[in-house]
Amino acid sequence: AQTVTQSQPEMSVQEAETVTLSCTYDTSENNYYLFWYKQPPSRQMILVIRQEAYKQQNATENRFSVNFQKAAKSFSLKISDSQLGDTAMYFCAFMRSNNNDMRFGAGTRLTVKP
Amino acid sequence: DAGVIQSPRHEVTEMGQEVTLRCKPISGHNSLFWYRQTMMRGLELLIYFNNNVPIDDSGMPEDRFSAKMPNASFSTLKIQPSEPRDSAVYFCASSFRAGLKSPLHFGNGTRLTVT
Repeated sequence: AQTVTQSQPEMSVQEAETVTLSCTYDTSENNYYLFWYKQPPSRQMILVIRQEAYKQQNATENRFSVNFQKAAKSFSLKISDSQLGDTAMYFCAFMRSNNNDMRFGAGTRLTVKP
Repeated sequence: DAGVIQSPRHEVTEMGQEVTLRCKPISGHNSLFWYRQTMMRGLELLIYFNNNVPIDDSGMPEDRFSAKMPNASFSTLKIQPSEPRDSAVYFCASSFRAGLKSPLHFGNGTRLTVT
């Protein structure tokens, strides 16, 4: 079974600074997909960024980028120029290539301070 | 696109009562998922359907939980009888399975409180 581990229950960052959220996963698969979701206090689940395991290039979406280290099974999220609206729970998620059920980590609560 | 629609948004019920949560997936999506979110366990996959057929229900905690998907545009999650430990936020999500890298689109969740 695949497991996703987020070792940082809580983090904080000053507005405009950069923060990195960690995620590791365990799988025997070679092809899979990784995602970061954001859950603000409204509890809506919002897709932030996705990465295909067969792509070596790290995904980037505006201020959000990932550091995907396949050999280390690591998938960290970097948020640059943090904004107050980035305050939320962030979930790392894993999906196998032949099965589209998604497994989530426990989440990291990020607080952006003014 | 209205997104995934869940109802009700909040549900408060007494222990022993039957609870039915409803979900309308995004039109055209052929996979539907039910998740439960609690502080202790995080987001747990309860069950998912492909083309209205249940594929994996190994996450359903007990026989008190059941889920149906009678057609492509509607699903229910039923708890009978409900217990206080069932209190959680229940999310429905949908995706288009043919694109296996397709992410899940979530509804806004139903917050269930069982007293």
